[in-house]
Amino acid sequence: GAVVSQHPSWVICKSGTSVKIECRSLDFQATTMFWYRQFPKQSLMLMATSNEGSKATYEQGVEKDKFLINHASLTLSTLTVTSAHPEDSSFYICSADLMRTGNRELFFGEGSRLTVL
Amino acid sequence: DAKTTQPPSMDCAEGRAANLPCNHSTISGNEYVYWYRQIHSQGPQYIIHGLKNNETNEMASLIITEDRKSSTLILPHATLRDTAVYYCIVRERETSGSRLTFGEGTQLTVNP
Repeated sequence: GAVVSQHPSWVICKSGTSVKIECRSLDFQATTMFWYRQFPKQSLMLMATSNEGSKATYEQGVEKDKFLINHASLTLSTLTVTSAHPEDSSFYICSADLMRTGNRELFFGEGSRLTVL
Repeated sequence: DAKTTQPPSMDCAEGRAANLPCNHSTISGNEYVYWYRQIHSQGPQYIIHGLKNNETNEMASLIITEDRKSSTLILPHATLRDTAVYYCIVRERETSGSRLTFGEGTQLTVNP
């Protein structure tokens, strides 16, 4: 089946630094990818919709200047957490749409756990 | 996306069927019912989806009521590895890029 891969799977950084998380669709092209954030014991919260070749669409309350999203190709979207702070520590998950004849599925990456010290 | 309502938690004995309900009373005609599950610290995993007919695959069965306002995911013989949070989501199938938002889901615990 289709696979979405994230890298890194976990990262620890110092407060004030920036961290980049990559999301790749390994065997299909994805014009649209989604970024989610999940805090412990909570559900996934949609942060933004990443569109290939155009600006991302952010959900209400998500700072676009803090969470930079770049979708430069049909197989890669990146999320950069700028000037990270401890409250940004979370599990970040990406997903990509695969449209196949008669079927539409959303595939998720394995997630990236960010810990900001 | 239509809002869904699920019980926060359920328990099931290993080897027995697990029946997870979901209410989606505001579902529209072009929205499908999708089920995903998330095992701790992993990304969500697709299980099954359907429009109005019952569906079955190697993982589970999906029963959708005739009025489409509710559905039930059935794991016929639950195992310990089925312990996870199960999310019921309604979403348009044909529109590429439509947002998918998650509710709180149901924490299913399969007990030995």
